Amino acid sequence: NAGVTQTPKFRILKIGQSMTLQCTQDMNHNYMYWYRQDPGMGLKLIYYSVGAGITDKGEVPNGYNVSRSTTEDFPLRLELAAPSQTSVYFCASSPRAEANEQYFGPGTRLTVT
Amino acid sequence: DQQVKQNSPSLSVQEGRISILNCDYTNSMFDYFLWYKKYPAEGPTFLISISSIKDKNEDGRFTVFLNKSAKHLSLHIVPSQPGDSAVYFCAAYGGHTDKLIFGTGTRLQVFP
Repeated sequence: NAGVTQTPKFRILKIGQSMTLQCTQDMNHNYMYWYRQDPGMGLKLIYYSVGAGITDKGEVPNGYNVSRSTTEDFPLRLELAAPSQTSVYFCASSPRAEANEQYFGPGTRLTVT
Repeated sequence: DQQVKQNSPSLSVQEGRISILNCDYTNSMFDYFLWYKKYPAEGPTFLISISSIKDKNEDGRFTVFLNKSAKHLSLHIVPSQPGDSAVYFCAAYGGHTDKLIFGTGTRLQVFP
């Protein structure tokens, strides 16, 4: 049981490039989330999904896009990378909103230069 | 607007002693609180939670206390072990938001 997996682990992007951060969970959870963590800061919610085909904005959605075509996958897309998007990105899933016991992936460290 | 605050960025405790990590919140509508633990290069993992209808929840060496009137919660670790060295995040849920709101984290170091 792999839980929540994220790829890649590390990535360096040039300003203006685009990329997709992959997230997959094998626990059949309906709820999935993308967070970013900047140094010395807490986790900020970027986007979340309550099920396949349904996504919604979180606290800091600008510059990102998501899709949820299957229960398992929740990719995060950066279209025009900016230095302000340098951060560690965490994907998480949970079985239901009420429990709020989210299972996190190991993170992707992204640097935009 | 930081609704969940952890004012101590770091804490150093001797092995075997008690570690007390604090968290304050501003939104009185929060009704569920969680603590997550994070090791370097890993994602956060759920540690313990408490509902607003309780003032204490205990799980082994970990106890969370909630003081609703003060909008304050704390995590007690007794006895502290070197493996407890990690960053601890407080998180809250409820009210007008259906999302977890995280604090900035406290780095705990337990030394021998």
